[in-house]
Amino acid sequence: GDSVTQMEGPVTLSEEAFLTINCTYTATGYPSLFWYVQYPGEGLQLLLKATKADDKGSNKGFEATYRKETTSFHLEKGSVQVSDSAVYFCALSDGQGGSEKLVFGKGMKLTVNP
Amino acid sequence: DAGVIQSPRHEVTEMGQEVTLRCKPISGHNSLFWYRQTMMRGLELLIYFNNNVPIDDSGMPEDRFSAKMPNASFSTLKIQPSEPRDSAVYFCASSFEASPLHFGNGTRLTVT
Repeated sequence: GDSVTQMEGPVTLSEEAFLTINCTYTATGYPSLFWYVQYPGEGLQLLLKATKADDKGSNKGFEATYRKETTSFHLEKGSVQVSDSAVYFCALSDGQGGSEKLVFGKGMKLTVNP
Repeated sequence: DAGVIQSPRHEVTEMGQEVTLRCKPISGHNSLFWYRQTMMRGLELLIYFNNNVPIDDSGMPEDRFSAKMPNASFSTLKIQPSEPRDSAVYFCASSFEASPLHFGNGTRLTVT
């Protein structure tokens, strides 16, 4: 079945450091790809998405490009802030049935220190 | 928009007791999902509904778990009897058609 593999961490960075979180996927067909973020004590929130090959999703300084040839969707940010401390989840959707049934990676906890 | 509302936020119960978790999806959303989050297994999809009908319950761990959606604005996840290995954070999420999921803040369940 479909699956997502991502860096699990935890990772600790200093403010203004560069961030990369690797994510690769296995899927039949042409899935949509997502990054979700979970702040402490809260549910997951959509950070960005891409629905087809070579699409770039971006939001709040984060970017990820849908690479079909490498089945990857790595998340990057050029300069992290303390407020970016959270758990980041990569996910895919098979899009069947008109619903967003998501398959998640295990999540990566990021801590950014001032 | 109040978002997806889950109750209770925290539940502590003893092994063998019945536990009921509740979810109110965002008004107008027609798909509802129940996820379980643990350190060991991450986020697992338990069941999802479309237009109040269960579509896929293959993630429900065993017969002790059951979920209902009697109408478009309410769903429950019940565990009877509960066991310590059921301790986790349970999330409800909703969406409309192919829009992204909106998650509630979760219910942290502890079974002693």
